[in-house]
Amino acid sequence: QVQLQESGPGLVKPSETLSLTCTVSGDSISAYYWGWIRQPPGKGLEWIGYIYYSGSTNYNPSLQSRVTISIDRSKNHFSLKLSSVTAADTAVYYCARGGGKGFDPWGQGTLVTVSS
Amino acid sequence: AIQMTQSPSSLSASVGDRVTITCRASQGIRNNLGWYQQKPGKAPKLLIYAASSLQSGVPSRFSGSGSGTDFTLTISSLQPEDFATYYCLQDYNYPLTFGGGTKVEIK
Repeated sequence: QVQLQESGPGLVKPSETLSLTCTVSGDSISAYYWGWIRQPPGKGLEWIGYIYYSGSTNYNPSLQSRVTISIDRSKNHFSLKLSSVTAADTAVYYCARGGGKGFDPWGQGTLVTVSS
Repeated sequence: AIQMTQSPSSLSASVGDRVTITCRASQGIRNNLGWYQQKPGKAPKLLIYAASSLQSGVPSRFSGSGSGTDFTLTISSLQPEDFATYYCLQDYNYPLTFGGGTKVEIK
């Protein structure tokens, strides 16, 4: 059974870089698309971006100038970096497996708060 | 970006009711649409992919239909565990976009 787990700091200062890792267990990361989605408190879902196992990426244009998604096949994980964060980036960040048949499964999510 | 308009934004229903949620795309997306259920404090769960394909393990009371711009999620007989927020997601092209959500509450 495939499981995903997000990890990283829960508090980031304004203007700094948010960094999260999603560790995949129960399956190889060397297939599928792997994505990040976020949800501000009390609001809806926003797709951040995808990375294919080959390393190719697609990002939401609204975040493209600040976001980088990378993959480490040796560690079976992929990562998100979001630079120059503001309070508007406070959200629960989810990782998920994707690729033509919807996002499934999802990680449990991790709350990242941007505050000084 | 393709806009996904979900309606209603909320609804009240009773156990046993038939519930229908709609999602309209701002342009044609063929059948590239999924439906997700989210309960408070939990990650979304995939219910339907490719507009009408039931994800493995999802009860058969959930069904999806539509293609092009208009899509529907139907719960044939609402159960207590179905009270949640439902989202549609188009994966026809980038950026992927979600609908605004429909909160299903107990009447």
